[in-house]
Amino acid sequence: ETGVTQTPRHLVMGMTNKKSLKCEQHLGHNAMYWYKQSAKKPLELMFVYSLEERVENNSVPSRFSPECPNSSHLFLHLHTLQPEDSALYLCASSLKVPRPSGDTEAFFGQGTRLTVV
Amino acid sequence: QKEVEQNSGPLSVPEGAIASLNCTYSDRGSQSFFWYRQYSGKSPELIMSIYSNGDKEDGRFTAQLNKASQYVSLLIRDSQPSDSATYLCAVNERSQGNLIFGKGTKLSVKP
Repeated sequence: ETGVTQTPRHLVMGMTNKKSLKCEQHLGHNAMYWYKQSAKKPLELMFVYSLEERVENNSVPSRFSPECPNSSHLFLHLHTLQPEDSALYLCASSLKVPRPSGDTEAFFGQGTRLTVV
Repeated sequence: QKEVEQNSGPLSVPEGAIASLNCTYSDRGSQSFFWYRQYSGKSPELIMSIYSNGDKEDGRFTAQLNKASQYVSLLIRDSQPSDSATYLCAVNERSQGNLIFGKGTKLSVKP
C-alpha cells in the first residue's frame, strides 16, 4: 500500500467505449500526475495537476481528458481510444515545494493495465 | 527537450557482486534526482533520492551525484536475485518541476 490507489487495476474496452480511470491519494500531497508506460518506452508524462493548475503534454491526444476535482482525487476520462493506446497508466502524487528547492519524490499507484480492442 | 539517458541493458551480475547503474541528464538546472525500482508488471517504487553532489548511502544502495558532469548513478552492493528488476532514473526538470524518467536499465542478478 503506497498511499496512492488506482481503480480499476485492469480494463478492456472497445474503441467506441467511454470509460474513466480513478486515482486517490491519502498522502497530503498537492500535485497529481498521469503517466503512460508502453513497452520499451520511457514513462511518458501526460498530465499534471499542481496547486489547482493543470499542465499537459501537448502530444497527448484529446481522446484522453483529465479531471481533478480536488487535491486528493484524479480521473482520466477515455473515449474513442485506439489499440495503440493500450498501456499501463500510472497515477502518481508528490509534494511540490517553492523554487529553487527540488520537489519531493513522487509516489505511484499500482497502475491500470488498459487494453483497447 | 529535457532528456534522461540510461543504458537499457540488460545488465547481468552474479549474486554477491556490485551492480552499477548509470544515468545522465540534459537539464543543467535540475535539483532533485531519484532512483525507482520496477518489477515486471508492477508500478515504480522509490528506492533512493539525492539532492547534493556526492554519495548517499542507504543499506546496500548508494546513490552518487555529480552535477558538473550531469551524471547520477546507483550502486547496489551484495546484489541479490530479488534485486532483479528495471531501475528507472528520474530527474526533476527545473522549469515546471515535473519528473522526467529515463527508459530504465534492466538488472538481472544470477544466483
